[in-house]
Amino acid sequence: QSALTQPASVSGSPGQSITISCTGTSSDVGGYNYVSWYQQYPGKAPKLMIYDVSNRPSGASNRFSGSKSGNTASLTISGLQAEDEADYYCSSYTSSSTRVFGTGTKVTVL
Amino acid sequence: QVQLVESGGGVVQPGRSLRLSCAASGLTFSNYGMHWVRQAPGKGLEWVAVIWYDGSNKYYADSVKGRFTISRDNSKNTLFLQMNSLRAEDTAVYYCVTDRGNRYLDLWGRGTLVIVSS
Repeated sequence: QSALTQPASVSGSPGQSITISCTGTSSDVGGYNYVSWYQQYPGKAPKLMIYDVSNRPSGASNRFSGSKSGNTASLTISGLQAEDEADYYCSSYTSSSTRVFGTGTKVTVL
Repeated sequence: QVQLVESGGGVVQPGRSLRLSCAASGLTFSNYGMHWVRQAPGKGLEWVAVIWYDGSNKYYADSVKGRFTISRDNSKNTLFLQMNSLRAEDTAVYYCVTDRGNRYLDLWGRGTLVIVSS
């Protein structure tokens, strides 16, 4: 049950697009279209931003999009805004019927 | 609206036990699988355990298997986490989270802090 691998930090200027990667294995990310992404502000509970690789729940900004290729999933934030500065985590269903989270990425808006 | 309220956290000595609860409202609790997820201070999210909507199946992270037990009382809309043989590395905020069709974690509570220290 090793954590999925994410970059520790990603930064961008307002208006730019950034992409966060999430790398797992064929037993999790690569094996199922059950990758989700969560946004977390300091001291707050996480919030679902993307589910089933590329679907947005109601309430999530359409500037957030997701994709997957092989064992790597990605979250793209377009038109970066100051309010997007937060921690982001990916998660996947696994072949053991458990769940696994990514290591987390801190997004900084320059 | 949907509310998940965790309780039962606190300071406990290593080796002792603690039972967390999560009271659900605003949803048909018995229709949802439920998870516990934890976050150590300054660290990332760690999945802990899941229980199916009817309690028929339970799965655990290797780090807690054999020490923690997830359970639920659908008549009281409540989720539990019994934590035994606690270790310093179990120190974390514990969140209860709803499950959507075994595909993703959906709605999160605010969490309850557990500190394991002598």
